[in-house]
Amino acid sequence: GQQLNQSPQSMFIQEGEDVSMNCTSSSIFNTWLWYKQEPGEGPVLLIALYKAGELTSNGRLTAQFGITRKDSFLNISASIPSDVGIYFCAGQSNNAGNMLTFGGGTRLMVKP
Amino acid sequence: GAVVSQHPSRVICKSGTSVKIECRSLDFQATTMFWYRQFPKQSLMLMATSNEGSKATYEQGVEKDKFLINHASLTLSTLTVTSAHPEDSSFYICSGRGQQDQPQHFGDGTRLSIL
Repeated sequence: GQQLNQSPQSMFIQEGEDVSMNCTSSSIFNTWLWYKQEPGEGPVLLIALYKAGELTSNGRLTAQFGITRKDSFLNISASIPSDVGIYFCAGQSNNAGNMLTFGGGTRLMVKP
Repeated sequence: GAVVSQHPSRVICKSGTSVKIECRSLDFQATTMFWYRQFPKQSLMLMATSNEGSKATYEQGVEKDKFLINHASLTLSTLTVTSAHPEDSSFYICSGRGQQDQPQHFGDGTRLSIL
């Protein structure tokens, strides 16, 4: 099946630093999604990307849909303690009935 | 918008009990609902997909008689874990989606603990 490689697996950064994480795939996706999950809760949608090359921001978060449609990155600028959580990328493909394929997650820890 | 409510948030019960988890889309019609299972420090694992009024489609390795899914309306899906055993203990998360090209929105999950 489709696989998404998400990196890094974890990051421990100082408050105020910028963060970057990415996902790559061997297959093409029509949509890339980025979710954040906090302990004991479900994932919350942060950004949805629908077109190759699309760059979208949501506050301090910026994500891009790679030109090849096989990758995406998420940047967080000026991190704050409440950014702590696990960030998941997810790809959605028309060929797979628009099911989601999830990356393994990036665990972000922010030191005040 | 796009809120999904999942209930209960936590269940602790004895082995052999059946447990029902509800998933409701509060402000949109969820044509399709999904049920996931998540083990500690792992990503979400899709268990099954259900379209309103149809039988659920289960992923390989998921027992349909063990995990009963009902999607009777555009705003409600239920997952019943029948005769639960300790190995069924996990975090179960549902999601709902409107149209096919729209993103999935997730509930807050249910922590199931079987003693």
